[in-house]
Amino acid sequence: EPEVTQTPSHQVTQMGQEVILRCVPISNHLYFYWYRQILGQKVEFLVSFYNNEISEKSEIFDDQFSVERPDGSNFTLKIRSTKLEDSAMYFCASRGVTGVGYTFGSGTRLTVV
Amino acid sequence: QKEVEQNSGPLSVPEGAIASLNCTYSDRGSQSFFWYRQYSGKSPELIMSIYSNGDKEDGRFTAQLNKASQYVSLLIRDSQPSDSATYLCAVNRRGNYQLIWGAGTKLIIKP
Repeated sequence: EPEVTQTPSHQVTQMGQEVILRCVPISNHLYFYWYRQILGQKVEFLVSFYNNEISEKSEIFDDQFSVERPDGSNFTLKIRSTKLEDSAMYFCASRGVTGVGYTFGSGTRLTVV
Repeated sequence: QKEVEQNSGPLSVPEGAIASLNCTYSDRGSQSFFWYRQYSGKSPELIMSIYSNGDKEDGRFTAQLNKASQYVSLLIRDSQPSDSATYLCAVNRRGNYQLIWGAGTKLIIKP
């Protein structure tokens, strides 16, 4: 069964450092998303991406965040200057043209120290 | 008012019984409704999706939607210990594709 792949599975970074979280969506999917989940809290939408541009973003997705699809397969989330409160599980998801339910990747646990 | 509400639980159900999970939502324009299962430290896994009023069955799972009451539920028949997880309700608004999530209900199946 096709799956969404995320790397790394765990990233520890110092406050103020830049991090890039990587995702390989399912190959024939066209819509891509980043969500995050702070430990013990609900899943929160960050951004959606379609046709090489951001289609929607939340209030969380401020100027410190950016997304990119640098080639035909990867989808990245960059946090320019990490803060302690960015510590969370970050999930990438993708979906195809039909249907609205997504497939999630296994997540990257980001720890900012 | 929270957009998607779920009882946080834990909901404890004996093995073999029916587990009933509930979710209410506030946006009447919502069109698509999803149940995800999340094991601790893992990503959400899609269990069921439902788009129209009524019941939808898939194996041991039945999703029920009542748009007039803004209510969606998930029934798990013949509950197994492996069903123990947090169940997340997610709702898609008309016109965009982000999912709005409930906080989840922790389900514990007792052997």
